[in-house]
Amino acid sequence: GENVEQHPSTLSVQEGDSAVIKCTYSDSASNYFPWYKQELGKGPQLIIDIRSNVGEKKDQRIAVTLNKTAKHFSLHITETQPEDSAVYFCAPPQKLVFGQGTRLTINP
Amino acid sequence: DGGITQSPKYLFRKEGQNVTLSCEQNLNHDAMYWYRQDPGQGLRLIYYSQIVNDFQKGDIAEGYSVSREKKESFPLTVTSAQKNPTAFYLCASSTGTGAHYGYTFGSGTRLTVV
Repeated sequence: GENVEQHPSTLSVQEGDSAVIKCTYSDSASNYFPWYKQELGKGPQLIIDIRSNVGEKKDQRIAVTLNKTAKHFSLHITETQPEDSAVYFCAPPQKLVFGQGTRLTINP
Repeated sequence: DGGITQSPKYLFRKEGQNVTLSCEQNLNHDAMYWYRQDPGQGLRLIYYSQIVNDFQKGDIAEGYSVSREKKESFPLTVTSAQKNPTAFYLCASSTGTGAHYGYTFGSGTRLTVV
């Protein structure tokens, strides 16, 4: 089945700096790549996604990049703010598997 | 507004009891899922359903059961056979289980065995 690895497991950055989280997958048939944000005590929320026919997608301060050759996709958050503190999950949903999550902490 | 509703938000169970967690969606989504999340851990798939009256086991189905009698509803029963049921349970739905569908998650049910 699909094997999804997410790195790093924890990430701490200063407010205003950028954060990057990487997700590596194994199934070359995957063609939809979403990122979810989970705040404490809540369910995850889809924040951005990308399809295999594009290499990058941006939405204000967040972006996702895709490298199909290397089988990884990354979440980029620029100008980080305290409300960005959360756990972020990647998922190629074709196989219903999620990454282990990255706990992002924004330090004021 | 369309969405997915889980109830109750908190649930306490005595050892040996079965409990049922509710999940209802009004998004007209075909597929529904149950995930379990332990503290500091990722999401593990318990069961999923692509269509009414049909469902498949996920990675950790032992000790759980589901039904899908209506498109809108996908209740999860945690049976006494589940040895360590204390966890955060998340229900999700999507328009399909193919390769192009993001999930909408509920707000979760926190189950504690007392």
